[in-house]
Amino acid sequence: GNSVTQMEGPVTLSEEAFLTINCTYTATGYPSLFWYVQYPGEGLQLLLKATKADDKGSNKGFEATYRKETTSFHLEKGSVQVSDSAVYFCALSDGGATNKLIFGTGTLLAVQP
Amino acid sequence: GAGVSQSPSNKVTEKGKDVELRCDPISGHTALYWYRQSLGQGLEFLIYFQGNSAPDKSGLPSDRFSAERTGGSVSTLTIQRTQQEDSAVYLCASSFGQTAGANVLTFGAGSRLTVL
Repeated sequence: GNSVTQMEGPVTLSEEAFLTINCTYTATGYPSLFWYVQYPGEGLQLLLKATKADDKGSNKGFEATYRKETTSFHLEKGSVQVSDSAVYFCALSDGGATNKLIFGTGTLLAVQP
Repeated sequence: GAGVSQSPSNKVTEKGKDVELRCDPISGHTALYWYRQSLGQGLEFLIYFQGNSAPDKSGLPSDRFSAERTGGSVSTLTIQRTQQEDSAVYLCASSFGQTAGANVLTFGAGSRLTVL
């Protein structure tokens, strides 16, 4: 079945460091891919998305490129801030009858000043 | 409403009691989803509604769990005879329910359930 695997956390970085959170997926067909973020005490929010191979999603300085050949959708940011501290979830939508999202287990990012 | 509303935000109950969790989706969103987020685990899909019908209940963990949706709007998730392993944050999400392309879900803040 469809699944998402993302790197274990927590990831601890200093402010202005480069961030990569790895995400790979297993799916039949051509899923859409997402990154959601959950800030402390808040609900999940969509961070970015990509709907087809080679698409790049971007938002708030974060980027992720849909790589079909490696079945990956790694999240990157060139210079993290303390305010980026949150849990990041990679997800896919298989576009089937339910269009439900299948999530990874989440990666906690802690950015220190 | 402007966002997805869930109530209660926190619920503490005793083992064996029944609980009801409510979700009020964004107006006009035909698709509604329930997920469960347990400590140290990801988001576990529970059930999907399209309008008032639930074509995918595959994630409900046992027959103690049920959900309904009325008027194509508000949904209630009911857990009967709660167990300690039911303790989790229950998240509701809604969307326009596209059948193709990126289906963007908007999540509520969740209902945190603690079973003593």
